[in-house]
Amino acid sequence: DAGVIQSPRHEVTEMGQEVTLRCKPISGHNSLFWYRQTMMRGLELLIYFNNNVPIDDSGMPEDRFSAKMPNASFSTLKIQPSEPRDSAVYFCASSVGRVNYEQYFGPGTRLTVT
Amino acid sequence: DAKTTQPNSMESNEEEPVHLPCNHSTISGTDYIHWYRQLPSQGPEYVIHGLTSNVNNRMASLAIAEDRKSSTLILHRATLRDAAVYYCILRGTASKLTFGTGTRLQVTL
Repeated sequence: DAGVIQSPRHEVTEMGQEVTLRCKPISGHNSLFWYRQTMMRGLELLIYFNNNVPIDDSGMPEDRFSAKMPNASFSTLKIQPSEPRDSAVYFCASSVGRVNYEQYFGPGTRLTVT
Repeated sequence: DAKTTQPNSMESNEEEPVHLPCNHSTISGTDYIHWYRQLPSQGPEYVIHGLTSNVNNRMASLAIAEDRKSSTLILHRATLRDAAVYYCILRGTASKLTFGTGTRLQVTL
């Protein structure tokens, strides 16, 4: 099993540019989660999907952030326009069920906005 | 979600057992206790979870107090590869995990 796949692993962009982060969950998993990690705020849940439907997006910081899950094997997190304060490591995780199943995390995308 | 309290850091010698404590005095009856760890430069990794009874798996053991207001993650023989930040998380009926600051475990030779 390849695990959760995220791309790119590193992204450096200039303020104002659009950034798209990608995630491929583990096959057969029906829940997908996007997290952000910074030194100041730790690990924060941004949004999660169940069966491709967004369930809770209360963690999305503002309208500049959007996430989609067009099918069971692919999700994107888009930031437009990007700002320096968006610099963080973004993790995607998936699980086989909604509640008490372990989440499997990807390796993360380190985003730097200059 | 109810809050958990963990020490900021702990140290252990290699090959010795490690007991990582977690207090969760406001835990509700439906909250499961989950533990994850994050190795340097990696995403979090599931370790173990339980509700009321003690649990064992290949990675660790979870000891839950009878009143469920505290729990302890036990690594039976710490190795250098166990150096990580360990998060104790209460998970109710919602799917989401709310990570705190965790305990940074240092393992020395």
